[in-house]
Amino acid sequence: EPEVTQTPSHQVTQMGQEVILRCVPISNHLYFYWYRQILGQKVEFLVSFYNNEISEKSEIFDDQFSVERPDGSNFTLKIRSTKLEDSAMYFCASSEAMGYSYEQYFGPGTRLTVT
Amino acid sequence: QKEVEQNSGPLSVPEGAIASLNCTYSDRGSQSFFWYRQYSGKSPELIMFIYSNGDKEDGRFTAQLNKASQYVSLLIRDSQPSDSATYLCARDTPLVFGKGTRLSVIA
Repeated sequence: EPEVTQTPSHQVTQMGQEVILRCVPISNHLYFYWYRQILGQKVEFLVSFYNNEISEKSEIFDDQFSVERPDGSNFTLKIRSTKLEDSAMYFCASSEAMGYSYEQYFGPGTRLTVT
Repeated sequence: QKEVEQNSGPLSVPEGAIASLNCTYSDRGSQSFFWYRQYSGKSPELIMFIYSNGDKEDGRFTAQLNKASQYVSLLIRDSQPSDSATYLCARDTPLVFGKGTRLSVIA
């Protein structure tokens, strides 16, 4: 069964450093998403991406975040200057299309620890 | 705030019983609702979605939606220890999640 993959599974970085989290969505999917979950908190939407541009973003997704689809398979989330409060599990998801009948498939997540 | 609210639990039920999980939402414009299951340290996995008032059944799971009361629920029949997880209610796309209800099924 096709699945969303994410690398690395765990990333440790120092405050102020840049990190890139990588995702490979399911191959025929057109919509891509990033969510994050701070330990013990709810899953929060960050950004959605379609046709090589951001289609929607939340208040969390400020100027320190960016997303890119550098090639036909990868989808990346970059955090420019990490803060302690960026420590969280980051989930990538993809779907065939936008809308309630199209399931979003989640990847296993990348645990980001900022020290 | 367009919030989704859930009782954090834990909700403990004996094996074989019906587990009832509830969710309320504040945005009357919300169209569709999703139930996800999340095991500790894992990613959310979709159980089912519902967008029409009433009940929707899928195997041991039944989702119920009442738009007038802004209320969504999930019933799990014949609960099994393997159902022990956190159940997340979410609305619309992109998904807006509640904090989740932790369910513990006791063998």
